[in-house]
Amino acid sequence: GNSVTQMEGPVTLSEEAFLTINCTYTATGYPSLFWYVQYPGEGLQLLLKATKADDKGSNKGFEATYRKETTSFHLEKGSVQVSDSAVYFCALNDSGGSNYKLTFGKGTLLTVNP
Amino acid sequence: DGGITQSPKYLFRKEGQNVTLSCEQNLNHDAMYWYRQDPGQGLRLIYYSQIVNDFQKGDIAEGYSVSREKKESFPLTVTSAQKNPTAFYLCASRPTGKSTEAFFGQGTRLTVV
Repeated sequence: GNSVTQMEGPVTLSEEAFLTINCTYTATGYPSLFWYVQYPGEGLQLLLKATKADDKGSNKGFEATYRKETTSFHLEKGSVQVSDSAVYFCALNDSGGSNYKLTFGKGTLLTVNP
Repeated sequence: DGGITQSPKYLFRKEGQNVTLSCEQNLNHDAMYWYRQDPGQGLRLIYYSQIVNDFQKGDIAEGYSVSREKKESFPLTVTSAQKNPTAFYLCASRPTGKSTEAFFGQGTRLTVV
């Protein structure tokens, strides 16, 4: 079956540091890939997505590139802020057919200190 | 404004009681989902529904039940058979299509005492 593996946290950085959160996946076919963010006590929000190989998703300074050859979708940001402190989830959609099941990674807690 | 609404935000129940969590969406999405979130365990799928009057078990369906009588609504009942019901519950909806993202509610924190 499909699966998503993301780096375990927690990750603690100083403001303006470079961020990478690794995400790799296993899937049949050609899934769409997503990063979601969850702030404390809230639901998840879409951060960015990519729907085919070599696509780059970007939003709020975050970027991730869909790499089919390495089955990866790593999240990066050049300069993090305190307000980026949250839990980040990598996810994929099934590749097609009538199955609408989403698959999430376990989440990575990011804390950014001033 | 369109969105997905979960209620209540906090819920307390005594052990042995059934409790129903509400999830309503006005986004005209076909698919709806229920997830459970525990600290350090990410999201685990309880049930999902692709269309009205149809739903499928997820990875941890035991002790839970759902209904999908209307497109807008997907309530989750936590029954007394659920051994450890205290958790944060998230509802989501999504339109059809592989590339579409899910929209999440704000969650319901259930505490069973």
